Amino acid sequence: GDSVTQMEGPVTLSEEAFLTINCTYTATGYPSLFWYVQYPGEGLQLLLKATKADDKGSNKGFEATYRKETTSFHLEKGSVQVSDSAVYFCALRAQGSYIPTFGRGTSLIVHP
Amino acid sequence: EAQVTQNPRYLITVTGKKLTVTCSQNMNHEYMSWYRQDPGLGLRQIYYSMNVEVTDKGDVPEGYKVSRKEKRNFPLILESPSPNQTSLYFCASLTSDSPYEQYFGPGTRLTVT
Repeated sequence: GDSVTQMEGPVTLSEEAFLTINCTYTATGYPSLFWYVQYPGEGLQLLLKATKADDKGSNKGFEATYRKETTSFHLEKGSVQVSDSAVYFCALRAQGSYIPTFGRGTSLIVHP
Repeated sequence: EAQVTQNPRYLITVTGKKLTVTCSQNMNHEYMSWYRQDPGLGLRQIYYSMNVEVTDKGDVPEGYKVSRKEKRNFPLILESPSPNQTSLYFCASLTSDSPYEQYFGPGTRLTVT
């Protein structure tokens, strides 16, 4: 079945460091790919998305590129801030399905 | 403002006392779902609904019930809560057009003693 694998956290960085959170997936066909962010005490909210191979999703300085050949959708940011501290979820929606599949989430802690 | 609302946000109850967590969305979405979030386990889907009067089990449906009598509302019912249902619960709805983004409620923190 469909699945999403994320790197385990927590990821701890200093402010202005470069961030990468790895995400790989297993799915048939061409799924849509998403990153959601959950700030402390809040629900998840969509951060960025990509719907086809080589698409790059971007928002708030975060980027992720849909790599079909490596079945990956890694999240990157060039310079993190304390306010980026949150849990990040990678997710996919398989072609022809409504039901999304989520990874287990990666906690990011950014120190001043 | 487009949103998913849940009530209550926090609830402490005792084993066996029936409870309902309400969920409402104002975006006219057909698809709604409930998740629970537990440390180390991520999000697990409890139930989902493709439309009014259409519900189906997710990955962890045991001990829960849902109903979908109106498009905007999707309550989660625990008829006899147990301590292993202590968790953080999220309601979500899904846009009707590709790529089908999810909108989440703020969460309900449930403690069953």
